[in-house]
Amino acid sequence: AQRVTQPEKLLSVFKGAPVELKCNYSYSGSPELFWYVQYSRQRLQLLLRHISRESIKGFTADLNKGETSFHLKKPFAQEEDSAMYYCALSGLTSGTYKYIFGTGTRLKVLA
Amino acid sequence: NAGVMQNPRHLVRRRGQEARLRCSPMKGHSHVYWYRQLPEEGLKFMVYLQKENIIDESGMPKERFSAEFPKEGPSILRIQQVVRGDSAAYFCASSPTTDRGGADTQYFGPGTRLTVL
Repeated sequence: AQRVTQPEKLLSVFKGAPVELKCNYSYSGSPELFWYVQYSRQRLQLLLRHISRESIKGFTADLNKGETSFHLKKPFAQEEDSAMYYCALSGLTSGTYKYIFGTGTRLKVLA
Repeated sequence: NAGVMQNPRHLVRRRGQEARLRCSPMKGHSHVYWYRQLPEEGLKFMVYLQKENIIDESGMPKERFSAEFPKEGPSILRIQQVVRGDSAAYFCASSPTTDRGGADTQYFGPGTRLTVL
């Protein structure tokens, strides 16, 4: 089954500490992977995607096909990083492109 | 190019009434998705549409909910005979088509907050 798993519903870290938001996926094929972020009272927006290999706001994510993971990392968390983060994949399934979101992880960065 | 538009932003209905939520995708986008978000919960997929076609409605409740994306005009999510449990934020997203024919990055609307009294 096609699935995106974010095992942590809530992750709390102190300001300046490293952050890793986990994302594992189950997909038979070559999906595209994305991270979206939703700050308080704002619309969901794209943070980064694996094909662009960018670092956005200090966040990076590497696609590990062997472990089927796409964890989001930042070396030093900032208070403004507090938000809801969603991992998602897009891929062809039974002749139709599907877009699957994980259930999200709420990141709280404590002062 | 204006972003994804949703209206109304806030909608209050009494139990048993109908709720109609509209989503205007970004210009040139052919894929539309609807999601529901309950308070303090994550995003839950409801339905995926392309023009005049429902591609995947596996996340839609079987009764009372319907969606359409006509050739002209916005996509509509309709909830008939609303109940208190339908109170949530409903988000729409649109996406362009990639070279491979599939969906690319999703662009989200601001959401419609439905309150059922």
